[in-house]
Amino acid sequence: NAGVMQNPRHLVRRRGQEARLRCSPMKGHSHVYWYRQLPEEGLKFMVYLQKENIIDESGMPKERFSAEFPKEGPSILRIQQVVRGDSAAYFCASSKQGASGHNEQFFGPGTRLTVL
Amino acid sequence: DQQVKQNSPSLSVQEGRISILNCDYTNSMFDYFLWYKKYPAEGPTFLISISSIKDKNEDGRFTVFLNKSAKHLSLHIVPSQPGDSAVYFCAASAYRSGNTGKLIFGQGTTLQVKP
Repeated sequence: NAGVMQNPRHLVRRRGQEARLRCSPMKGHSHVYWYRQLPEEGLKFMVYLQKENIIDESGMPKERFSAEFPKEGPSILRIQQVVRGDSAAYFCASSKQGASGHNEQFFGPGTRLTVL
Repeated sequence: DQQVKQNSPSLSVQEGRISILNCDYTNSMFDYFLWYKKYPAEGPTFLISISSIKDKNEDGRFTVFLNKSAKHLSLHIVPSQPGDSAVYFCAASAYRSGNTGKLIFGQGTTLQVKP
């Protein structure tokens, strides 16, 4: 039973380029959460999605960031026109129940984005 | 506004002894708490959780205690093993208040267990 998969594991972009981060949830999980960890900090919630729907994007920066979870395929976190401050580890987590009940979120290995 | 705080950045204990990691929160709407363990260059791994209707939950060497009046929880690891050396994150969520299940994390405590 594969866990949460994220790719790429490492991504290097120059300022102004686009970054696309992918997340495949655990089998049987239809709820996906994205978190960001800046150096020396804890994880910060960004967005919560179910299939084809954004449920909570209260943690997403207002500009340049977007997320989707299509009916088929992985969830995508997209960062347009990256800046150095976007350099961080981005973690995806999946769960079975989402907001409908207490549930553990299982995390992927993360994508480490470096903006030059 | 740091709603979940882990005030000790690091902790060092001897193998075989008890490790106690602490976490404080400010939001009284939190009703579900989790502990995660994280190794460098890996994602957090779920350890143990507790609902606000309980004050203790135990799983093997790991026990979580919740003191709602003090808005404080702790993770006890007994006995501590060198493989427990990692960063431990406390996280909280507020399901009852219509929250979407997002987790609010503390800053983490780095535990070192010495052989």
